[in-house]
Amino acid sequence: DIQMTQSPSSLSASVGDRLTITCRASQSISNFLNWYQQKPGKAPKLLIFAASSLQSGVPSRFSGSGSGTDFTLTISSLQPEDFATYYCQQSYVTPITFGQGTRLEIK
Amino acid sequence: EVRLVESGGGLVQPGGSLRLSCATSGFTFSTYWMTWVRQAPGKGLEWLANIKEDGSRIRYVDSLKGRLTVSRDNAKNSLFLQMNSLTAEDTAVYYCARVVEIASAAPNWFDPWGQGTLVTVSS
Repeated sequence: DIQMTQSPSSLSASVGDRLTITCRASQSISNFLNWYQQKPGKAPKLLIFAASSLQSGVPSRFSGSGSGTDFTLTISSLQPEDFATYYCQQSYVTPITFGQGTRLEIK
Repeated sequence: EVRLVESGGGLVQPGGSLRLSCATSGFTFSTYWMTWVRQAPGKGLEWLANIKEDGSRIRYVDSLKGRLTVSRDNAKNSLFLQMNSLTAEDTAVYYCARVVEIASAAPNWFDPWGQGTLVTVSS
């Protein structure tokens, strides 16, 4: 199985901050990497697909990059509604696997 | 509007079974792979299974093979999950989602997701 490791597991940040979340795959997954945002009590929501493509309707402050084993999700200027948990996911091969999540909290 | 609505969750006795449904609307159900994902309380996301458009191919997570059956009814635009021999470790919110891909063997992703249905395994 492909292991997905996110870092950090949690972080505190302020509105307006720029931040980056990292996701590393245990083997190459090309660009089969997606990012989801989940707020408490809600279903995950797709943010970025195929490593760097922004899902329709998602604000442009979100961006993704990477290929192979190393990927990043960047939020250019944090907004209050961005405080949530973020998951990366590989869809290169089954079993499909998710990172453990990065919990973003308000400082 | 694309909608997915799960149902069938609730309290289940240990050793019992569950059958969840996912009713869909707003898209041509029969042309999409579908998936089930679960999330235990306070934990991360765990992929369970994918099912091909016509139901002819199903991929399961190894840890649940033998206990999990996924099926679909394209005439009713619905997806199903059946799980047997439940334990407390199966307590989770169960989500269905549509699998979107550009082309075969191309990147794919889950979008949208249903709101989830909570299954609690307890005596």
